[in-house]
Amino acid sequence: DVKVTQSSRYLVKRTGEKVFLECVQDMDHENMFWYRQDPGLGLRLIYFSYDVKMKEKGDIPEGYSVSREKKERFSLILESASTNQTSMYLCASNSLRGVSHEQFFGPGTRLTVL
Amino acid sequence: DAKTTQPPSMDCAEGRAANLPCNHSTISGNEYVYWYRQIHSQGPQYIIHGLKNNETNEMASLIITEDRKSSTLILPHATLRDTAVYYCIVRVALGYGGSQGNLIFGKGTKLSVKP
Repeated sequence: DVKVTQSSRYLVKRTGEKVFLECVQDMDHENMFWYRQDPGLGLRLIYFSYDVKMKEKGDIPEGYSVSREKKERFSLILESASTNQTSMYLCASNSLRGVSHEQFFGPGTRLTVL
Repeated sequence: DAKTTQPPSMDCAEGRAANLPCNHSTISGNEYVYWYRQIHSQGPQYIIHGLKNNETNEMASLIITEDRKSSTLILPHATLRDTAVYYCIVRVALGYGGSQGNLIFGKGTKLSVKP
């Protein structure tokens, strides 16, 4: 059974803290993505990575950075958390092999910044 | 990527077919139609995709009009577990360089299956 896992389902942090969100996939996928989901705004892409050590900005990268040191792991970093980063964070992966290129999503991390 | 329009919400009786429409009038010839759904408190789940032919899998059927300007996702026998937000997404075929599989999610259709 293919899997994308995220390190936490729920996280509470304080303003100014450095926050790490971890995502691991076991499908040998080249591509990995970080989205955030907010009511009324849908899913918005923060960053994605198409290879180890490679990254590209998505639509809303400000306030975030990412790290991909190994193929299976993609980390999202909030250097100094702010209350407007309270959101649901979703990690996804896919491969350009195969036909559908479907994205597989993790269960999400609900982050609250106080 | 082409923009899509979906109704914000729909109801369906359990056991009946759920037909979810999507308009994508500005779709280009090389753009696919993808459907995902998101059950409450879970990540989105891929359902089906197509280019111009109708498609069917174990979850659903996808009907694309001949002019490709609209499509319908059909859940043939909806169950309570099909209650979710359904997203219709149109995007180009994937390849190396540029966007590497990014999906642009709109607001979707909230489908409520009722007993």
